[in-house]
Amino acid sequence: GAGVSQSPSNKVTEKGKDVELRCDPISGHTALYWYRQSLGQGLEFLIYFQGNSAPDKSGLPSDRFSAERTGGSVSTLTIQRTQQEDSAVYLCASSSPIAWGNTEAFFGQGTRLTVV
Amino acid sequence: GESVGLHLPTLSVQEGDNSIINCAYSNSASDYFIWYKQESGKGPQFIIDIRSNMDKRQGQRVTVLLNKTVKHLSLQIAATQPGDSAVYFCAEGGYNKLIFGAGTRLAVHP
Repeated sequence: GAGVSQSPSNKVTEKGKDVELRCDPISGHTALYWYRQSLGQGLEFLIYFQGNSAPDKSGLPSDRFSAERTGGSVSTLTIQRTQQEDSAVYLCASSSPIAWGNTEAFFGQGTRLTVV
Repeated sequence: GESVGLHLPTLSVQEGDNSIINCAYSNSASDYFIWYKQESGKGPQFIIDIRSNMDKRQGQRVTVLLNKTVKHLSLQIAATQPGDSAVYFCAEGGYNKLIFGAGTRLAVHP
């Protein structure tokens, strides 16, 4: 597609339920990021995928959070047993690093998750 | 380090004035830097980038300055307009993931 696509755009879920958030990166981009952004706050890094390398999971806040990237393209962020503090906007970004380093990351519009 | 749950500092400027948003980066090995603009309800959008072999780069109404000695990055916006009101993030990178700063909210007053 033309840009990074995230779905759903909004998700309301009951506390304790599991949710899956989807990210379709820009075609050909080997790097994919997930961030979380609470209202009025900065970007909280969650996880980073780059090609076939082991993902950098250092930002995942608890073992209730996990992410996969199948076939080097689409990624799914799963939150199990959701809690109210998980309410936030979840942003996905992708980039295409070049031989000498990073390039800009392109962001999706985010998924607004509300846990009630 | 990573940006985690920080309340954003705010820079208030008058319409027409120049704005300077500052960022201190953490890794002296970083060689690529980006500024993003995030408007309310949207994802961050790329503004301008700079590599470490440069100390200044200009775009349309924006200039990025890089001081590697003190690990400092700044974004200058000329003749600030109401449409510039947003949150601005810097990011640093090398061969690994991009790392984002905490962000600064720019409020433009008429």
